[in-house]
Amino acid sequence: EAQVTQNPRYLITVTGKKLTVTCSQNMNHEYMSWYRQDPGLGLRQIYYSMNVEVTDKGDVPEGYKVSRKEKRNFPLILESPSPNQTSLYFCASRAGGPEAFFGQGTRLTVV
Amino acid sequence: RKEVEQDPGPFNVPEGATVAFNCTYSNSASQSFFWYRQDCRKEPKLLMSVYSSGNEDGRFTAQLNRASQYISLLIRDSKLSDSATYLCVVNEERNYQLIWGAGTKLIIKP
Repeated sequence: EAQVTQNPRYLITVTGKKLTVTCSQNMNHEYMSWYRQDPGLGLRQIYYSMNVEVTDKGDVPEGYKVSRKEKRNFPLILESPSPNQTSLYFCASRAGGPEAFFGQGTRLTVV
Repeated sequence: RKEVEQDPGPFNVPEGATVAFNCTYSNSASQSFFWYRQDCRKEPKLLMSVYSSGNEDGRFTAQLNRASQYISLLIRDSKLSDSATYLCVVNEERNYQLIWGAGTKLIIKP
């Protein structure tokens, strides 16, 4: 089954404690991206990657890091999480076309 | 000004009614357009593409007006299961980016 898998689905953490949200896709898509979704603001792109070892900043990259060492994986790293990073996070992948396939989301709370 | 704007709603509509909402985009060079649907606390999923000549998929009709830079989604004979947030998406092919609207919330009432 074609899918994008994110883990964890829910996470509560404390300010400053490094965390990683994993994302894996099994569709051999070249393009992957991370979004955060906040009420009234819609989906905002954090980082994207057009292929292995090629990543670039989206609209809201501050406080986040990513890596793309393999085609299927695109982890999101928060080195020192802060409460303003409390949000719903989605990983997405797509091939050359417009259809994006999303993971189920990670609801992160930073206290 | 946001690149893609939508009325956030919510639109409260009785079951069986027809509802339509628009989305405006700011970049006249935008190439392709889509509607995604997002159920509460779930991931967005592609609903339909929007073609220049307009297109229909069952009860759903999407239209593009390039001159006025908006796209529209019309839902006929609305069902309770149509309750969701509808996201307008614009594809800027020059830089391979999808630009997302904040979504319009639709609530269908029995």
